[in-house]
Amino acid sequence: AQSVAQPEDQVNVAEGNPLTVKCTYSVSGNPYLFWYVQYPNRGLQFLLKYITGDNLVKGSYGFEAEFNKSQTSFHLKKPSALVSDSALYFCAVRDGQLIFGTGTRLQVFP
Amino acid sequence: DAGVIQSPRHEVTEMGQEVTLRCKPISGHDYLFWYRQTMMRGLELLIYFNNNVPIDDSGMPEDRFSAKMPNASFSTLKIQPSEPRDSAVYFCASSLTGWTSFPDTQYFGPGTRLTVL
Repeated sequence: AQSVAQPEDQVNVAEGNPLTVKCTYSVSGNPYLFWYVQYPNRGLQFLLKYITGDNLVKGSYGFEAEFNKSQTSFHLKKPSALVSDSALYFCAVRDGQLIFGTGTRLQVFP
Repeated sequence: DAGVIQSPRHEVTEMGQEVTLRCKPISGHDYLFWYRQTMMRGLELLIYFNNNVPIDDSGMPEDRFSAKMPNASFSTLKIQPSEPRDSAVYFCASSLTGWTSFPDTQYFGPGTRLTVL
């Protein structure tokens, strides 16, 4: 069965610093990977996806993710964090429907 | 487009009462998903539909839960009778079929926060 793992419950970063939110996957065949973000009291919002092609995927709000097949990872990154990026981030893999990770809470401090 | 619409946004009820949550997907989307989110269990897929037909209801916790999609623009999730452990945020999401014939990017509604006393 397909699955994703988010090893960090929370990530803290200072505003202006680069941020990384980690995700590793376990799939049979080609992975279809997604990142979603959830702001307080809101539903999940799509950030970006990897289906095929370039390993570096660019998404909304300046986020990008790097697909690494040898490390089975799909980490979310942003060069310069904003306080407004503080939210809950979910990695997901498609297996028919989406299988979500447990989420990582990103806290950006001013 | 207004996005996925859910109602009510908040629901407080007493144990044993029937609860009905409603969802209007984005027009033209052929997949509809119901999720439940709690602190303890995270985000759980309850059921999803394709072209109004239930495809996978293995996530429905028990017979007290039922979901219907009578047409392409409306779905309900019903809990009867409700219990305090059903307290959670319930999300509806919709998507289009992607090029692999599976659902593509999902668009989530704002959720219904259910509290069962």
